[in-house]
Amino acid sequence: NAGVTQTPKFRILKIGQSMTLQCAQDMNHNYMYWYRQDPGMGLKLIYYSVGAGITDKGEVPNGYNVSRSTTEDFPLRLELAAPSQTSVYFCASSGPGIGTNQPQHFGDGTRLSIL
Amino acid sequence: AQTVTQSQPEMSVQEAETVTLSCTYDTSESDYYLFWYKQPPSRQMILVIRQEAYKQQNATENRFSVNFQKAAKSFSLKISDSQLGDAAMYFCALSNFGNEKLTFGTGTRLTIIP
Repeated sequence: NAGVTQTPKFRILKIGQSMTLQCAQDMNHNYMYWYRQDPGMGLKLIYYSVGAGITDKGEVPNGYNVSRSTTEDFPLRLELAAPSQTSVYFCASSGPGIGTNQPQHFGDGTRLSIL
Repeated sequence: AQTVTQSQPEMSVQEAETVTLSCTYDTSESDYYLFWYKQPPSRQMILVIRQEAYKQQNATENRFSVNFQKAAKSFSLKISDSQLGDAAMYFCALSNFGNEKLTFGTGTRLTIIP
């Protein structure tokens, strides 16, 4: 029973490098989300998706890109890493159905440091 | 825009005692959902309890219960018979009906004193 799987768990990047954070869910959920959590703070929404082929910006989208080609996968791309993107990143999913406000299921997070 | 405020950065409680964590929120919608999530040192986000705003009855889950005051826009979490495993960050969160996006508070760190 995998739930939401995030890879990698830890990563160190140099300024200007690019990388993709992977997220997969096996619960057939419609909704998927990416959050970042800065030290001592709550989670802030970066991007979300209501289904394959549909994505939308959250509260803090600058510096990130997403795609949703399948129901299961929702990768987050950092194109030009900056120190301000040092954070813990969480992927989450919810569903099934649309507009039912089901609880979100979270992955274990990726700790990303930009040096 | 909706907001969620947790005014207690840290709380502590003796093991087996009861503790209440505070949360206030603001939204222009009449239908919405409120959540408490727990984040232990393992970093995993775990749902504790969910409350539908249209329900007057307060949600309960075993030792966890809420005091939902819609008019006051208050949503506090009560933990009874506190256990060492309850030590964690607790986040209050809000989503409007039909809009799955969650808005989180800044969290309350709960320490359990043996």
